[in-house]
Amino acid sequence: DIVLTQSPATLSLSPGERATLSCRASQSITSYLAWYQQKPGQAPRLLIYDASYRATGVPARFSGSGSGTDFTLTISSLEPEDFAVYYCQQRSHLCSFGQGTKLEIK
Amino acid sequence: EVQLLQSGGGLIRPGGSLRLSCAASGFTFGGDAMSWVRQAPGKGLEWVSTIGGSGSTTYYADSVKGRFTISRDISKNTLYLQMSSLSAEDTAVYYCAKEGVDFYLDYWGQGTLVTVSS
Repeated sequence: DIVLTQSPATLSLSPGERATLSCRASQSITSYLAWYQQKPGQAPRLLIYDASYRATGVPARFSGSGSGTDFTLTISSLEPEDFAVYYCQQRSHLCSFGQGTKLEIK
Repeated sequence: EVQLLQSGGGLIRPGGSLRLSCAASGFTFGGDAMSWVRQAPGKGLEWVSTIGGSGSTTYYADSVKGRFTISRDISKNTLYLQMSSLSAEDTAVYYCAKEGVDFYLDYWGQGTLVTVSS
């Protein structure tokens, strides 16, 4: 089974700052990685797929990078609505999610 | 507009069975794979199961294999998850989701809470 480890568990930043979230896979998943955003009481929302492609309607301040085992989600300048929990997901072998990174307001 | 409307959750006793439904609209239901993902209270996302567009291929997480069955009725545009031998560890919000490009989950249902308790 492929295990995804996200870091940090919690990230405290202010609006306007840059956020960098990491996801590491236990073995190579080439570029078969997605990022989701989840707000309280809501279903997750697809942000990034295939490591670096933005899903429909996702603002350009969200970007993804990486390949193999190390991946990054970057939010260039935080907006108030970006504070949420972010999950990475791999589709290289079946499916699994990371444990999540909570992005909170500092 | 793609819509996934879930039903069927509730309180069930340990060892019991329950069937979840997910009614789809706004896309060609038989063309896309569908998945179930769950989230225990206060916890992260856990993939549960996936079914191919035609319904002929199915995949399960080890935690539910042999207890849960995923299926789809293309004539009714509905996805199902039949759950049996339920335990407290199965307590979660269950989401159905449509798979889009490269099998990522591009649309999600609203979620339905399953509580396993005596």
